[in-house]
Amino acid sequence: GESVGLHLPTLSVQEGDNSIINCAYSNSASDYFIWYKQESGKGPQFIIDIRSNMDKRQGQRVTVLLNKTVKHLSLQIAATQPGDSAVYFCAENGNQGGKLIFGQGTELSVKP
Amino acid sequence: KAGVTQTPRYLIKTRGQQVTLSCSPISGHRSVSWYQQTPGQGLQFLFEYFSETQRNKGNFPGRFSGRQFSNSRSEMNVSTLELGDSALYLCASSKQEGTQYFGPGTRLTVL
Repeated sequence: GESVGLHLPTLSVQEGDNSIINCAYSNSASDYFIWYKQESGKGPQFIIDIRSNMDKRQGQRVTVLLNKTVKHLSLQIAATQPGDSAVYFCAENGNQGGKLIFGQGTELSVKP
Repeated sequence: KAGVTQTPRYLIKTRGQQVTLSCSPISGHRSVSWYQQTPGQGLQFLFEYFSETQRNKGNFPGRFSGRQFSNSRSEMNVSTLELGDSALYLCASSKQEGTQYFGPGTRLTVL
C-alpha cells in the first residue's frame, strides 16, 4: 500500500533573524539530550548536547534550553544564515545507554 | 581525525535478497549504533554494539542482525529483503557512552 511520510513541521525565517526550534521529549528517565542537523543527502551532524542536571547550555551561535518539568527542549540559533537551512532533530537517550530516541524533526528554511 | 565511514553509499537489491552494510567508527570509539531512517517512520534505533557485544536492541524483526569486530568496525545484515526495507541506514559511533557521531549513511533501495 501507499506509505504516508512524516509531515515535518517547517520553520521559515529571514536571514539574520534568530530561530527557535522546539521539541517535546517522551521519557522522563532521559538524562542526556542532543540536537542534530541533517542536510540533504548527509548523515545527522552533532550541534550541541545537554545533560539533565543543566537547564541551559551555549555553543557558538546556538543555545539549548531544557525544561524537565514539561519535558521540553529548545534550540536557539542566533543570526540565522542560509547555511543553517536543514532538518533539525532532537534526541534523548531514554537512560538506555547507546540508544537514542529521535523526534520527528523540524525543517528550517532560511530566506536570504 | 577521520569521521565515521560507511560502505557502500548506495545499494540496489531485489526482494528476497540479503545485504551487508559496513561501518568504520571514529578511531578510539568502541560503541557503534545503527539506525534506519525512512520518510514514514523517521529515525529508528536498530541496535548498538560495544566491545563486540550487542548492548541494546530496537524493535526490528530478526531479519536485521549485526556484529562488531575486535577493531570496532561493525556490519549489519538484512536477510530476505522486503520493499519496506528501503531506507537510509545510518551508523553512529561514540566512546563508551556519550555523543554519537554519524556517518553519511547507506541508501538501500529494494525493488
